[in-house]
Amino acid sequence: GENVEQHPSTLSVQEGDSAVIKCTYSDSASNYFPWYKQELGKRPQLIIDIRSNVGEKKDQRIAVTLNKTAKHFSLHITETQPEDSAVYFCAASSGGGSNYKLTFGKGTLLTVNP
Amino acid sequence: DAGVTQSPTHLIKTRGQHVTLRCSPISGHKSVSWYQQVLGQGPQFIFQYYEKEERGRGNFPDRFSARQFPNYSSELNVNALLLGDSALYLCASSLAGGATVWEQFFGPGTRLTVL
Repeated sequence: GENVEQHPSTLSVQEGDSAVIKCTYSDSASNYFPWYKQELGKRPQLIIDIRSNVGEKKDQRIAVTLNKTAKHFSLHITETQPEDSAVYFCAASSGGGSNYKLTFGKGTLLTVNP
Repeated sequence: DAGVTQSPTHLIKTRGQHVTLRCSPISGHKSVSWYQQVLGQGPQFIFQYYEKEERGRGNFPDRFSARQFPNYSSELNVNALLLGDSALYLCASSLAGGATVWEQFFGPGTRLTVL
């Protein structure tokens, strides 16, 4: 089955700096890669996603890149703010339509210091 | 605009007991998935249902079962509870259907504690 590795497990940055979180996946059939942000005691919230036919996607301060050949994808957060502090999860999914599942990485605890 | 809702919020059970968790998807969403999130880990896939049929099952024992109702709400049942079943149980809904992969939106979860 699919295996998703996520690094680093913790990341501490100064406010205004950039943060990068990297994930690798094992199943070459995976075609959808979402990123979720989970604040303490809250639900995971979808912040950005990318599909296998796209190499990069950007939404304001957040961007995701995908390298299908190397089977890795990354989350980039620029101009970090204290409210970006949370646990971030990457995930991968194969299949489509009405039959698919998400396989998650173990998460990255991002701390943005004021 | 109601999101995914789950009940109860918290639950405390003892070993050997049975538990039923409930989920209502976003209006118009036809697929519900269940995930188990142990503290400090990412969510792990348990089941996916679409149009009342099981479409996917993760690596969980037969003590775990689920079903989806005609209104697309869903129940997750766990029998013979073990201490290791203590976790946050998350429900995710998506539109599903067709050939594309649809975004999944999570509910707030049910925190299950097994004593």
